[in-house]
Amino acid sequence: GAVVSQHPSWVICKSGTSVKIECRSLDFQATTMFWYRQFPKQSLMLMATSNEGSKATYEQGVEKDKFLINHASLTLSTLTVTSAHPEDSSFYICSAPVVLANQPQHFGDGTRLSIL
Amino acid sequence: DAKTTQPPSMDCAEGRAANLPCNHSTISGNEYVYWYRQIHSQGPQYIIHGLKNNETNEMASLIITEDRKSSTLILPHATLRDTAVYYCIATRGGNSNYQLIWGAGTKLIIKP
Repeated sequence: GAVVSQHPSWVICKSGTSVKIECRSLDFQATTMFWYRQFPKQSLMLMATSNEGSKATYEQGVEKDKFLINHASLTLSTLTVTSAHPEDSSFYICSAPVVLANQPQHFGDGTRLSIL
Repeated sequence: DAKTTQPPSMDCAEGRAANLPCNHSTISGNEYVYWYRQIHSQGPQYIIHGLKNNETNEMASLIITEDRKSSTLILPHATLRDTAVYYCIATRGGNSNYQLIWGAGTKLIIKP
């Protein structure tokens, strides 16, 4: 079945570093991918919608310059957390809808980001 | 998308059926009910979805009331590995690029 691969699964880095997270659809094309953030004991919150070949759509309150999204191909979207600070520490998850209508979205396994 | 309401937590004995309720009283005619679960520190896992009719797959059954204002997810023989947060989401079908709005979900604990 359709699979979404997310990399890395865990990253620890110093404050001020930029971190790139990749989301790949392995056996299907995804013109749209979604990026979520999840803080401990909270639900998923949609950050942005990544659109292949065009600009991402960000949810209210999400800084575009802080969270750079690039959807350069039909199978890859990247989220770059620029100049990360401890408050950016969170669990980041991507998902991709399957092209066929009414099919379930497939999720990556998430990336645990810890900023020291 | 319609708002959904779920109990915050539930317990179930291992081997028994786990019945997880969800209210979606404002659901519209073109909205499907999806169920996902999230095991600790993992991405959400799709379980099942439906529009009007009851659905069954290898993981679970979905019972939707005739008025579609509520539904129940049934895990027929719960195991310890079914301990997770279960999310009920109502969202538009017929469009592959739908957003999923996540509520608080139900934390299901399976007890030995």
